[in-house]
Parts: sequence; C-alpha cells; structure tokens
Amino acid sequence: DAGVIQSPRHEVTEMGQEVTLRCKPISGHNSLFWYRQTMMRGLELLIYFNNNVPIDDSGMPEDRFSAKMPNASFSTLKIQPSEPRDSAVYFCASSFWGSGANVLTFGAGSRLTVL
Amino acid sequence: ELKVEQNPLFLSMQEGKNYTIYCNYSTTSDRLYWYRQDPGKSLESLFVLLSNGAVKQEGRLMASLDTKARLSTLHITAAVHDLSATYFCAVDIPPQGGSEKLVFGKGTKLTVNP
Repeated sequence: DAGVIQSPRHEVTEMGQEVTLRCKPISGHNSLFWYRQTMMRGLELLIYFNNNVPIDDSGMPEDRFSAKMPNASFSTLKIQPSEPRDSAVYFCASSFWGSGANVLTFGAGSRLTVL
Repeated sequence: ELKVEQNPLFLSMQEGKNYTIYCNYSTTSDRLYWYRQDPGKSLESLFVLLSNGAVKQEGRLMASLDTKARLSTLHITAAVHDLSATYFCAVDIPPQGGSEKLVFGKGTKLTVNP
C-alpha cells in the first residue's frame, strides 16, 4: 500500500485565493482525520470522518474552512478565502475503526503558505 | 474538553544518558499513543497502550500507561543521536458516532548531543 497520499505537498498562494488540499486514505480504512500543525498551536484536529460521514468538525476554525469526503478513497479540505494565518502544515490521517486501537497513519502533509 | 499536556516541551540531553518524558491527560481514557516526528516529516506511530499498566518497549524507548493517574511516560535509555525528534502523545476521546478522535499533546522536542 502506498500509504496516505496528500496533494499538493507545497502550496504558496496569495491572501484571498481559494485553496484545496486533497487526501487519499489507505484502502480499507474507514476513518479519516484532518489535522493542522503550527509552531504556536501544535497539532490541532480540524475534522474527522467515519465511513465518509463527518463526525466532529468542532475544530474547523471558521466558515472559511470546509471539508468533504465524497467516497471512501478521497477527501478534500478547502479554504476560501485564504488568509496569512492559515499558513501551516495540513496533515491527513486515516485509521481502521473497529480494530481495537485507533492507530493513525499520517500522510506526508501539505505545507501551505499564504502571502 | 480533553487536555493533553506533555513535559518537558524541549529536552536537550547527552548521548548515553537516561530521561523520561511525561504525558498527562484530563479525562478518563485507557488508550494512549506515542508518535515520533522527524524534522520536516510526518508522524509515525511508536507505541499503542490500551490498558492500565500497559508497557511497551522498542530499542531504547519504553512507554507505560497509568490510567488511574492519567499519566503516560516515555523513558529513554542510553540516548543516541538517532533518537533526536519530536515525540507526541495522543489520547482517544470516547467514541462518538462509532469512531474516536485522537487529541495530541504539544510534543516534546528531543535533541541528543554527542
């Protein structure tokens, strides 16, 4: 298995532009998580899905952020409009819920810079 | 709201020395995870602790869990440079809607000096 695949790996954009981050979870995993990592705030959970259904989006900072999981093999995190304070590394992770342990496999991350 | 606190946040130690990283959490949970992150890289799972008293060891690292004290420790024995990384603990929040979410501590950045 290729693991959790994220794209793009790096994105530089200007304030006000729309940003879409993509994630392909591990085949067979039924839970998907979006985290954001910054020096100041550490690793924050933004939203997670179980069986493609959003379970908890309380970590989404504001309405500018949205996430979708249209099927078991694809998820997107969208920021519109983007702001400089959104600059961070965004990680997608997946796991198999029901195995007795919730061990997350992380993607390589998408480093977002908003100018 | 679940809080997960690690200390220290920064640790600089000499090769060959021993040290312990602590992870405290604020709510009842019997599932705790340790992850490692190398600079500029993603997070990798190190240990999965699923019950009170659980102890796991891998090389120079040993993790333990005391659910009554809501405390996990990551003990480093005879540190080597290759252990330099940031170590995170994470705790499961009880299931909602058939799944669980992990809340991470802020991480402990470990630097092992020759």
